[in-house]
Amino acid sequence: DAKTTQPNSMESNEEEPVHLPCNHSTISGTDYIHWYRQLPSQGPEYVIHGLTSNVNNRMASLAIAEDRKSSTLILHRATLRDAAVYYCILRLNYGGSQGNLIFGKGTKLSVKP
Amino acid sequence: KAGVTQTPRYLIKTRGQQVTLSCSPISGHRSVSWYQQTPGQGLQFLFEYFSETQRNKGNFPGRFSGRQFSNSRSEMNVSTLELGDSALYLCASSLATGGYAGELFFGEGSRLTVL
Repeated sequence: DAKTTQPNSMESNEEEPVHLPCNHSTISGTDYIHWYRQLPSQGPEYVIHGLTSNVNNRMASLAIAEDRKSSTLILHRATLRDAAVYYCILRLNYGGSQGNLIFGKGTKLSVKP
Repeated sequence: KAGVTQTPRYLIKTRGQQVTLSCSPISGHRSVSWYQQTPGQGLQFLFEYFSETQRNKGNFPGRFSGRQFSNSRSEMNVSTLELGDSALYLCASSLATGGYAGELFFGEGSRLTVL
């Protein structure tokens, strides 16, 4: 079964870069990699997604390994508002499970001033 | 632009009862998906609806069901409630049409407590 594995927690200092890893060794060729984050008492918020190539947007960058078995979410300069639980998610794109989302347990990011 | 609206925000039920949760997507979004979030299991995908049809389904028993109306609003129903159904139920909408990679916009959730 498809799954993602993330560290339970990470700490960062404000204004420093943060690299959040995710292992998804069971990924299939056309599954998308998504990242969302969740602040307390809120629904998850989209951060970024990709398939094979590295991706950048205004919030973050996503680095995808060449074999696609792992990826890293990069926050270039962490702020206090980036403290949240970050979820690495596979969006399945094959067979009868097409469109299903497989969530990791999430990494709780703490940002120290 | 209004976000995804879920009602009710909080509710308490007893074992054996049933519950219906409602989700109003962002205007123009035709895809609505549902998720269960618990401390033990984390976030789990329940099902997705697009144009009133269930497009895919997660690994949950048949007690969990849903539907989508012509205006894209969606409801999910849980029958014969069990203590383990206590959770935050999240709804998300997206513009995704033929593809499956669209950005999801989540509501704040409905917190269900089963006593």
